[in-house]
Amino acid sequence: AQKVTQAQTEISVVEKEDVTLDCVYETRDTTYYLFWYKQPPSGELVFLIRRNSFDEQNEISGRYSWNFQKSTSSFNFTITASQVVDSAVYFCALSDFNKFYFGSGTKLNVKP
Amino acid sequence: GAGVSQSPSNKVTEKGKDVELRCDPISGHTALYWYRQSLGQGLEFLIYFQGNSAPDKSGLPSDRFSAERTGGSVSTLTIQRTQQEDSAVYLCASSLTTGQPGYTFGSGTRLTVV
Repeated sequence: AQKVTQAQTEISVVEKEDVTLDCVYETRDTTYYLFWYKQPPSGELVFLIRRNSFDEQNEISGRYSWNFQKSTSSFNFTITASQVVDSAVYFCALSDFNKFYFGSGTKLNVKP
Repeated sequence: GAGVSQSPSNKVTEKGKDVELRCDPISGHTALYWYRQSLGQGLEFLIYFQGNSAPDKSGLPSDRFSAERTGGSVSTLTIQRTQQEDSAVYLCASSLTTGQPGYTFGSGTRLTVV
């Protein structure tokens, strides 16, 4: 069965701190995709990154970076030098092409 | 359209009434998905369409829920005899086709059953 676990329900940091959001997944598929989405207070889901199961290279995009480790079935997301605008709920998701399996989300509060 | 459009954005209904939620996908997207997000929860898959067919209805929580898609475009999610536990944000997403890893989500319809 497919499952995504985000153990951190809520995290609070002070602006400029680095923060890592954890994501652990379960799947029996050999081909799959992993995603991170951001959901700001407005409610819309904003796509951040997609990673396929054959590409374990870490990725950096500005202040965002992702660490994909198949050995531990983890796909963690780090925000460097956090800003107040980063405050949102972040969802990790696993896709088997036809549908997504979402984690329960991590609410990030960045305080000025 | 440029994005996935959902209407209404907010809906308050009385328990026992029927509601219809509409999703207008990105033009040319053949795959359309419905998800539900209850307060403080992650997203729960409901149903997806490839064209007008729904190969996977496994997520529909009860027979009070149904969905249809016509013309390979607009989809309607209908909830009959609404219950308070149906209160949630209903999100629609579309992608070019199934097997396309990644969708675009709409802003959702917030349904409140009182």
